[in-house]
Amino acid sequence: EIAMTQSPATLSVFPREGATLSCRANQSVGNKVAWYQQKPGQGPRLLVYGASTRATGVPARFSGSGSGTEFTLTISSLQSEDFAVYYCQQFNKWPPTFGQGTKVEIK
Amino acid sequence: QVQLVESGGGVVQPGRSLRLSCEASGFTFSNYAMHWVRQAPGKGLEWVAVISHDGKSEFFADSLKGRFTISRDNSKNTLYLQMNGLRAEDTAMYYCAKDIRFVVVTAVHDYWGRGTLVTVSS
Repeated sequence: EIAMTQSPATLSVFPREGATLSCRANQSVGNKVAWYQQKPGQGPRLLVYGASTRATGVPARFSGSGSGTEFTLTISSLQSEDFAVYYCQQFNKWPPTFGQGTKVEIK
Repeated sequence: QVQLVESGGGVVQPGRSLRLSCEASGFTFSNYAMHWVRQAPGKGLEWVAVISHDGKSEFFADSLKGRFTISRDNSKNTLYLQMNGLRAEDTAMYYCAKDIRFVVVTAVHDYWGRGTLVTVSS
């Protein structure tokens, strides 16, 4: 199965600053990557799929990019509600696999 | 609005069985594949299984084949996960999730429930 590796494990950011989260696949997955946000006590929320398509209702400050093996989720100006754990996922080959997550915390 | 509500979790002894349910509303359930994804305490997400919109196709994580079965009742808008031979490593929050595409299975999950906790312990 395809391994997804996220970095960093934890990202400390001031509110209203930008953040860049990385995700690497151990083989090409084309553009078949999704990003999810998870807050404590909640199920994940889909943010981006197809590497760069924002899901319904997701603010424009979230943007995804990349193809092949390297992917990035950028949050342009962090709001208080954006502090959470973010997961990437590949859906190019079965089984779908997730990265281990990046926790974005308040600096 | 789309709602997914899981139930059926609890504390169970190793080797025993448990059946989880996920009641769906706010969309035409019979038009979408449905998934189970689990999360061990303090850990990341692990995809478990998917069932096609019509219930005719199923796929499982290799590590779970033979112990877990997935099914759905489109007349009741409900998804199920039957878990047999439970092990300590099956302890996790179990989420049901809707596939994003009409009829097609993509493994992009656009809506998730809040999960039901399964604890396997003697």
